[in-house]
Amino acid sequence: RKEVEQDPGPFNVPEGATVAFNCTYSNSASQSFFWYRQDCRKEPKLLMSVYSSGNEDGRFTAQLNRASQYISLLIRDSKLSDSATYLCVVSRSQGNLIFGKGTKLSVKP
Amino acid sequence: NAGVTQTPKFRILKIGQSMTLQCTQDMNHNYMYWYRQDPGMGLKLIYYSVGAGITDKGEVPNGYNVSRSTTEDFPLRLELAAPSQTSVYFCASSSPGTGSQPQHFGDGTRLSIL
Repeated sequence: RKEVEQDPGPFNVPEGATVAFNCTYSNSASQSFFWYRQDCRKEPKLLMSVYSSGNEDGRFTAQLNRASQYISLLIRDSKLSDSATYLCVVSRSQGNLIFGKGTKLSVKP
Repeated sequence: NAGVTQTPKFRILKIGQSMTLQCTQDMNHNYMYWYRQDPGMGLKLIYYSVGAGITDKGEVPNGYNVSRSTTEDFPLRLELAAPSQTSVYFCASSSPGTGSQPQHFGDGTRLSIL
């Protein structure tokens, strides 16, 4: 099993749609979880941290299921500007993070 | 606040040449990292450092060297450049804390080896 696995997509959705991304991780000792977004040919940028109780930031909701080692990201009311690749990120050790390969989202008018 | 700054942004090298990719951060972060990202692929950790004078290998360290003489700077050295090192290189930094803290990235160096 890969350390972090994501569906590569692409997810092609119309504006206003709700879209969900899933991610699984293999290391049950991981303590920190994040979602990053990466625009084409740009650096990854932190979208949000993921907390055990689940958390929301505007149109974005992140969930963590430690028992199933599963993380999700829900985007409501998709905007054209949400088009990007979304990276699931899990901690390893010594401050190290493992980055998934990402799920590509394309929001169409 | 500049964050993480990488230079150069683009570079073309000939096979066998060497060069240093520069990375500096002004956030007083102890932890710094070098990644490479090949087209369509995820980030792979090359080297990391948890503080000045301390460096350690990541997943793909072969062909690279690093040093960390100050908190701010973490240069990556390529010796004897090879075509397989054509990639986008990202430097990142984070602060120590409970668990792992999010990493902040520079905007990358695009390197081509011909």
